[in-house]
Amino acid sequence: RKEVEQDPGPFNVPEGATVAFNCTYSNSASQSFFWYRQDCRKEPKLLMSVYSSGNEDGRFTAQLNRASQYISLLIRDSKLSDSATYLCVVNTGGFKTIFGAGTRLFVKA
Amino acid sequence: DVKVTQSSRYLVKRTGEKVFLECVQDMDHENMFWYRQDPGLGLRLIYFSYDVKMKEKGDIPEGYSVSREKKERFSLILESASTNQTSMYLCATLSILYEQYFGPGTRLTVT
Repeated sequence: RKEVEQDPGPFNVPEGATVAFNCTYSNSASQSFFWYRQDCRKEPKLLMSVYSSGNEDGRFTAQLNRASQYISLLIRDSKLSDSATYLCVVNTGGFKTIFGAGTRLFVKA
Repeated sequence: DVKVTQSSRYLVKRTGEKVFLECVQDMDHENMFWYRQDPGLGLRLIYFSYDVKMKEKGDIPEGYSVSREKKERFSLILESASTNQTSMYLCATLSILYEQYFGPGTRLTVT
């Protein structure tokens, strides 16, 4: 079993749609959680951290469920510019950061 | 804003050449990392460094070495480049909040 698992997609949605991604992690001792966005042929960039109480930033909402060991990302009112790969990232303490393989999102006009 | 820079965006080398990839950060982060990213395989950790002159092997260190002589600079060395090292190489730092910040990447082609 992979340490961090994501549905690779692709998710194809129309502009204005709401889309949600889930990610599961296997290490119950994981401490920090993040979503990164990666555009084609570019580096990953931090989208948002995921806190136990949840986190919202504009159209983006991230949730953490420690009991079930998953995190989620919700994107409301999708824009064409949201098309990218979204990486789920888990830090188990110190240097150990695990990246999911990513979920591809395509937003269509 | 954290800034991580890498010496080249694109590089083409021949098999057997020694290749140096350099990474520089300006945020005084202790920890620095080298990853490679290949389609379908995601990000894989090659080496990381938690202090000057300190380094640890990651998941795929074979064929690579690293150097960290100054806190802000972390170099990846391909001792004898091979075609299976054609990849996107990404340098990253780690903040005290465990956020990783990446450089723009070096797309290396070995022919």
